[in-house]
Amino acid sequence: ETGVTQSPTHLIKTRGQQVTLRCSSQSGHNTVSWYQQALGQGPQFIFQYYREEENGRGNFPPRFSGLQFPNYSSELNVNALELDDSALYLCASSESGGGYEQYFGPGTRLTVT
Amino acid sequence: GQQVMQIPQYQHVQEGEDFTTYCNSSTTLSNIQWYKQRPGGHPVFLIQLVKSGEVKKQKRLTFQFGEAKKNSSLHITATQTTDVGTYFCADLYNFNKFYFGSGTKLNVKP
Repeated sequence: ETGVTQSPTHLIKTRGQQVTLRCSSQSGHNTVSWYQQALGQGPQFIFQYYREEENGRGNFPPRFSGLQFPNYSSELNVNALELDDSALYLCASSESGGGYEQYFGPGTRLTVT
Repeated sequence: GQQVMQIPQYQHVQEGEDFTTYCNSSTTLSNIQWYKQRPGGHPVFLIQLVKSGEVKKQKRLTFQFGEAKKNSSLHITATQTTDVGTYFCADLYNFNKFYFGSGTKLNVKP
């Protein structure tokens, strides 16, 4: 059984740039949720993808967008990066939509300068 | 969205002492999950509580869901240095969104 993987591990971008983060879900999971975790805070829900469709969104602006592919891997795209976007971005996979235990990946540490 | 508050923010204990963290809400909680995040790591699922008054145990860890489903707690008996980390509760909202508390950071002195 393969766990959740994320790439890249670390990333440094400049304000105004765009970034794409990637996540491979655990084998057998069709749901991926993305979270933003600022230093010293709990993870904040960005959105969830279930069977390639967005299945719920948190309080994040439209410049945060995502995709889920037929193999259930997922991407998080952030446009027009702001300094406050600096955070650890976590993806979590689970079975069949919400309400199940989530398996988190190691995260991508994004720094915006 | 849901507001889930965790207390305390920090807890420093001597190895062997007990530890408890609380997760509170002014509204009814739906489905509580507890996670542990080691320093520099990612959240790891511990348990899920769904029913009012539910109590679950995992070795030295005891998880409770309040009768009114407005609070939950995690109690660790006889802490060990391996228990160090931040413990988060997360409530399920609208069947697909988990709202995390701000966490309780536990430090255990050997």
